[in-house]
Amino acid sequence: AQSVAQPEDQVNVAEGNPLTVKCTYSVSGNPYLFWYVQYPNRGLQFLLKYITGDNLVKGSYGFEAEFNKSQTSFHLKKPSALVSDSALYFCAVRGYGGATNKLIFGTGTLLAVQP
Amino acid sequence: EAQVTQNPRYLITVTGKKLTVTCSQNMNHEYMSWYRQDPGLGLRQIYYSMNVEVTDKGDVPEGYKVSRKEKRNFPLILESPSPNQTSLYFCASSLSVAGGNSPLHFGNGTRLTVT
Repeated sequence: AQSVAQPEDQVNVAEGNPLTVKCTYSVSGNPYLFWYVQYPNRGLQFLLKYITGDNLVKGSYGFEAEFNKSQTSFHLKKPSALVSDSALYFCAVRGYGGATNKLIFGTGTLLAVQP
Repeated sequence: EAQVTQNPRYLITVTGKKLTVTCSQNMNHEYMSWYRQDPGLGLRQIYYSMNVEVTDKGDVPEGYKVSRKEKRNFPLILESPSPNQTSLYFCASSLSVAGGNSPLHFGNGTRLTVT
């Protein structure tokens, strides 16, 4: 089955420290991977994607993600966290076969950045 | 401004009373989709539409209907709402099929409570 796992419900980090939000996936072919962010009372916003090419993908607001095929992971990272980064983050993978018309989302990770 | 507009933002209703949540996008996107967001479950797809007059079921279509008579509009209809449909609903659109090179654009959500 195709799936995405975000093993941490919440990640706490101090402002200025590096942050990592974890994501692992399971798909039958080459994955198309995405990160979205949700601020309170708002819809999800696209951050970045991996389709092919360089394993390190850069996105909006200084975020980047590293694709690791052997570990089937796509962790979201930022070198220096800001309080304004506090939000709910979703990893997603494109479905394969009969499910190519959908994104499969993880359950989300709440990032809390303390001042 | 390019956007996906959902209405209403908040809706409280009673069991069995038909309701419609509207969704409109101004980006000439072909693909539109409805998701529901529930704690611990992430986002689950209800229905999607690849283009006008083309709709298909997602993962949790029971109790919902959709229509796509115009490219810009994709209303979600609950013919006989039940309490288990209490949730946060998101409409999303993209230029082409979800998960391709074009990201999903989300509305700000509709919080539905069914008593």
